[in-house]
Amino acid sequence: ETGVTQSPTHLIKTRGQQVTLRCSSQSGHNTVSWYQQALGQGPQFIFQYYREEENGRGNFPPRFSGLQFPNYSSELNVNALELDDSALYLCASSPMGASGGYTFGSGTRLTVV
Amino acid sequence: GESVGLHLPTLSVQEGDNSIINCAYSNSASDYFIWYKQESGKGPQFIIDIRSNMDKRQGQRVTVLLNKTVKHLSLQIAATQPGDSAVYFCAENSGNAGNMLTFGGGTRLMVKP
Repeated sequence: ETGVTQSPTHLIKTRGQQVTLRCSSQSGHNTVSWYQQALGQGPQFIFQYYREEENGRGNFPPRFSGLQFPNYSSELNVNALELDDSALYLCASSPMGASGGYTFGSGTRLTVV
Repeated sequence: GESVGLHLPTLSVQEGDNSIINCAYSNSASDYFIWYKQESGKGPQFIIDIRSNMDKRQGQRVTVLLNKTVKHLSLQIAATQPGDSAVYFCAENSGNAGNMLTFGGGTRLMVKP
């Protein structure tokens, strides 16, 4: 059984650019959630995807968007990058309806310069 | 590896001692709570969980206590080992917005040999 894998592990982008981060969910998990973790803080919920549709969203602007594919993998897209978008982006997968049985990936460290 | 929690509250304990990490949660409607451990360069790892209809739950070397009256959660680690050194987060699930988890600010545990 494989866990959650994220790519790339590190990324440097310039302010104003767009970025796509990828996540493969754990085998048997059909729900994917994305979290942003700024340095020194706890993760903050961005959104969740189930059946290829957004199933809940935190307090993030529309320039944060996502996709889920039929194989349950997911992408996080961020447009018009800002310096404050620099953070560790975590993907977590779970069976649908799980209150918190999430398995987290190791994250993508995004640096915006 | 990635450095998590540079400015977090720190608990320093001697190897073999017991550790207690505390957390105050915000939403009285939350019905599910989880403790996560995050090591440098990794995503959060599930430790133990508890539902709101319980006051205490025990795992292997870990115990979680829930006090709903004062909205307080604690994690007790028995016989703390060097491998327990990490940042610990509590998270609550109120069932909103796709079962989003709301994380606390985290505590860094340092175990002295």
